[in-house]
Amino acid sequence: NAGVTQTPKFRILKIGQSMTLQCTQDMNHNYMYWYRQDPGMGLKLIYYSVGAGITDKGEVPNGYNVSRSTTEDFPLRLELAAPSQTSVYFCASSYSLGAGNQPQHFGDGTRLSIL
Amino acid sequence: KQEVTQIPAALSVPEGENLVLNCSFTDSAIYNLQWFRQDPGKGLTSLLLIQSSQREQTSGRLNASLDKSSGRSTLYIAASQPGDSATYLCAVRSDTNAGKSTFGDGTTLTVKP
Repeated sequence: NAGVTQTPKFRILKIGQSMTLQCTQDMNHNYMYWYRQDPGMGLKLIYYSVGAGITDKGEVPNGYNVSRSTTEDFPLRLELAAPSQTSVYFCASSYSLGAGNQPQHFGDGTRLSIL
Repeated sequence: KQEVTQIPAALSVPEGENLVLNCSFTDSAIYNLQWFRQDPGKGLTSLLLIQSSQREQTSGRLNASLDKSSGRSTLYIAASQPGDSATYLCAVRSDTNAGKSTFGDGTTLTVKP
């Protein structure tokens, strides 16, 4: 049972560099989400997707981009890394609302430091 | 906009004590509420999920209750153990708008031997 898989687990970037955080789920979930968690805080929603080809902004989208070309994959792109983007990033997925009261499934997170 | 508050931010208790963690939310139009445990530097472990139509859920020494009308949930931990030391997060899931979750900032629990 792979569930939600995030890569890499850790990464250090220099200011201005770009990178893509990968997220893959094998549960055929329609909904996928990206959250960030700053030290001592809860998770804040960056972007989400309700299906392939459909994405929308969450609470803190600035500095990020996403795409959803397949049901399984939902990569998060940082174009010009800034120190404020140092955080732990979590990807999650779930069935559509109304498809049963199912929980969101979370990946193990990517710890990103921008120096 | 949904807002989720967890009080207290930190709690320290001696081993064996029963304790209650609180979670309050401002919008009662929720799909479900989920309690998570997070150990330092680790990911989220789901503890209990309460559907919007339910009043409580139990798993072992954990019991979570939900009062939608008052916008409150509690997580009750019986006979606490040092291994229960962690941060506990509650997440409220919207019943519209792609079921986005709003998280509280968590309660950090320390159980002293």
